Amino acid sequence: DAKTTQPNSMESNEEEPVHLPCNHSTISGTDYIHWYRQLPSQGPEYVIHGLTSNVNNRMASLAIAEDRKSSTLILHRATLRDAAVYYCILEDYGGSQGNLIFGKGTKLSVKP
Amino acid sequence: NAGVTQTPKFRVLKTGQSMTLLCAQDMNHEYMYWYRQDPGMGLRLIHYSVGEGTTAKGEVPDGYNVSRLKKQNFLLGLESAAPSQTSVYFCATSRSSYNSPLHFGNGTRLTVT
Repeated sequence: DAKTTQPNSMESNEEEPVHLPCNHSTISGTDYIHWYRQLPSQGPEYVIHGLTSNVNNRMASLAIAEDRKSSTLILHRATLRDAAVYYCILEDYGGSQGNLIFGKGTKLSVKP
Repeated sequence: NAGVTQTPKFRVLKTGQSMTLLCAQDMNHEYMYWYRQDPGMGLRLIHYSVGEGTTAKGEVPDGYNVSRLKKQNFLLGLESAAPSQTSVYFCATSRSSYNSPLHFGNGTRLTVT
């Protein structure tokens, strides 16, 4: 399965934008890029996913590099509630039935 | 509409005891998964199911069994618990196997002494 590389931790100020990077240099053409987050003492929560084009939803935006070897999750205005571990995951078409491999993610801290 | 519900939320077992964790979903999803999460680590897939009556092994299946007798329920069993199985267990569901987000429950925290 293709792997991703994320910083261990990042800090942000409340109400400022946050850009969470992810490198996936061995991505294949059919791999979707997924982002999940996990708040303390909760299960992971789906944030956004995409294949080639940038994607927007009510929670965040996903910017995908033209060569697809990296992507960035953008939180437009961080709130204290956005403090969580963010996971960038590749979904391998034809892989083991939709199993998403969760790495250690990026722990985002948000300062008031 | 509860989504994915896991019971129990907490449990303490002694080594050698058995127990069953229940995952129930009301989203009519075909795919269901059991993960475990240990401190400072990501989630690891234990077993999964692609539909009623089917199960398959994931990354770390040893010491666990599963059953999917009804579409809405996915059970995870520990026949003889070991301290190495102390973990937080998460159930997840998805509509299909590709291009389909996972929906997680809030976990079961299991301690084996």
